[in-house]
Formats: sequence, C-alpha cells, structure tokens
Amino acid sequence: DARVTQTPRDKVTEMGQEVTMRCQPILGHNTVFWYRQTMMQGLELLAYFRNRAPLDDSGMPKDRFSAEMPDATLATLKIQPSEPRDSAVYFCASARETTNSPLHFGNGTRLTVT
Amino acid sequence: GNSVTQMEGPVTLSEEAFLTINCTYTATGYPSLFWYVQYPGEGLQLLLKATKADDKGSNKGFEATYRKETTSFHLEKGSVQVSDSAVYFCALGPNTGNQFYFGTGTSLTVIP
Repeated sequence: DARVTQTPRDKVTEMGQEVTMRCQPILGHNTVFWYRQTMMQGLELLAYFRNRAPLDDSGMPKDRFSAEMPDATLATLKIQPSEPRDSAVYFCASARETTNSPLHFGNGTRLTVT
Repeated sequence: GNSVTQMEGPVTLSEEAFLTINCTYTATGYPSLFWYVQYPGEGLQLLLKATKADDKGSNKGFEATYRKETTSFHLEKGSVQVSDSAVYFCALGPNTGNQFYFGTGTSLTVIP
C-alpha cells in the first residue's frame, strides 16, 4: 500500500534554529501539499505544488518559511529562523492530478520550538 | 468561493449508538466530496468519497451521500464502536485547480 513518507517524525529545536522537514510523495502523484495543524487554528494550507512547480504559497509566512521540490520524489519545508509559534504538526500530502483523486497524507512531523 | 462547514464537536456517544456528523459545502461546478479520519498521532486517512450527485460513499460501516440539492455530505454510522473514536474531517476536492478544502474537524469519543 503506497504511502506518503515524512521525516523526521518528531523535531525539538531551540528558537532561532533552522528546521528542515522532508516528504516523499507517492510515486506517480504530481501534486504535493504542505499543511500545518494546531489546536487553535486547525488544518491550514501552507503551500502546494503541481509537477514540482509552486502553485500557491500564500499560506506561508514568507520571511521565514520556504518550500521546494528539488525532484519529483522529494518535497522540503524549511523554517529559518524558527520561533515558538511555529510549534505544530506539519503534514505533507500528495494526489494525482486527475478529477476525483483523493489526497493522501503522511503521518506528519511534530515540531516543538522552545 | 469553495468552502466546507462541519458540525462542531466534540461528540460523545455510547457504544452501538447511531452517529451523524453534518457537513455542508459551497462550491462552483461539480467537486468530489470526501470524509477523512484522523487517529491520535497519525495523519488524515481517507474514509470514503463520492464523486457526483446522489453517489453514496461507504467504508467500515460509515456512509455518506452526496446531496446536491441540499449541498450536504453528512457522515453516518449505525452502530459506533470504541475504536471509531477519532477526529473526522469533511473535505471538498478540486474540480478546477488543485486545492482541497477541509472542514474544521469533529472529534468523536465513543465510550463503552
């Protein structure tokens, strides 16, 4: 059963440090999404890509967040510098770009910034 | 624009009770509709989907029918189990563009 793989599973870091989260989408899926989930805000869309090109990153704080897809098998989300308010679970999800295709989620990276 | 409105939680039910979680949507065109389930410490998992009006999605005893006339996609299960305790998300899939739209999630706790 194909799965979206995210690493690391958990990350604890100090304020001001750089954080990089990685995602391997399901083979053959050409749309990739980054979401952030917190108790207060729920599930927020940060950015998404189609065929490795960014389509929308309006949900990301531009001054500290960046998202890229160096190749079709890897998506990265970087935070530099990290702040305590960035503490959340970050999910990557992928889908085929065909009508009615569902979104498949990874198990997330739980980020804690102290 | 597109949006999903989902029943507020939390919901607490006794085992074997009937479950309904309401979901309504606003959309242009003919989107697909989905229910996802999230267990503690895990990502969202697809529970069921429906791709056109009057379609019924079903899985693991859960059902939802795509009602275009009422713009609804309510989730139902006839007899819940303790293992159904989770957070449930209603979602609207892209008919144009690529973006998915999620409801705020409904937490369900089933007590023995």
